[in-house]
Amino acid sequence: GAGVSQSPRYKVAKRGQDVALRCDPISGHVSLFWYQQALGQGPEFLTYFQNEAQLDKSGLPSDRFFAERPEGSVSTLKIQRTQQEDSAVYLCASSLQTKETQYFGPGTRLLVL
Amino acid sequence: EDQVTQSPEALRLQEGESSSLNCSYTVSGLRGLFWYRQDPGKGPEFLFTLYSAGEEKEKERLKATLTKKESFLHITAPKPEDSATYLCAVQVLGRGAGNMLTFGGGTRLMVKP
Repeated sequence: GAGVSQSPRYKVAKRGQDVALRCDPISGHVSLFWYQQALGQGPEFLTYFQNEAQLDKSGLPSDRFFAERPEGSVSTLKIQRTQQEDSAVYLCASSLQTKETQYFGPGTRLLVL
Repeated sequence: EDQVTQSPEALRLQEGESSSLNCSYTVSGLRGLFWYRQDPGKGPEFLFTLYSAGEEKEKERLKATLTKKESFLHITAPKPEDSATYLCAVQVLGRGAGNMLTFGGGTRLMVKP
């Protein structure tokens, strides 16, 4: 079956621009996670949704980062007024239920100039 | 604070030369330990989950083991197609609503023909 998909795959933004990154989880998966992966590092947790409810946003690095999943399926991670330190790969993962295996999408590579 | 440390950071092997990757962890209570493979430009691909000390799982040339302090990923007679970054991650009991993953920095494996 189809896996997790993310779009765009690559995004170049000028410093100060707003960006929106999309995640389509595996159909029927209740849980959705966003992670940030810096070059040469392991992914770091940003936020978690169970259906449409955002239950954990403790990893969001600043109030410029905002995520939503209004209908409990597709999720969008928005970054306002992008900074160079926001350059990273943003990974989305979904799992059938909470605590089960997380399956990752291919990621969106964001470069802020 | 939960910590996951992987070693070595990079490993170069000749085809057929078996070796092991290490993942050491310090957590308040382990729910599960996960191994993922990540190819360049792609998202992490799930390999194994281990839940209790003494548990072992195998898949083709890979075998994962778990103790109370660390996990090993043994690679037997590797082939060039095994070249990738191998990521270890933990889920901690009671940490966050969705039990997000805390990752190590990864081991970059290169297998030369």
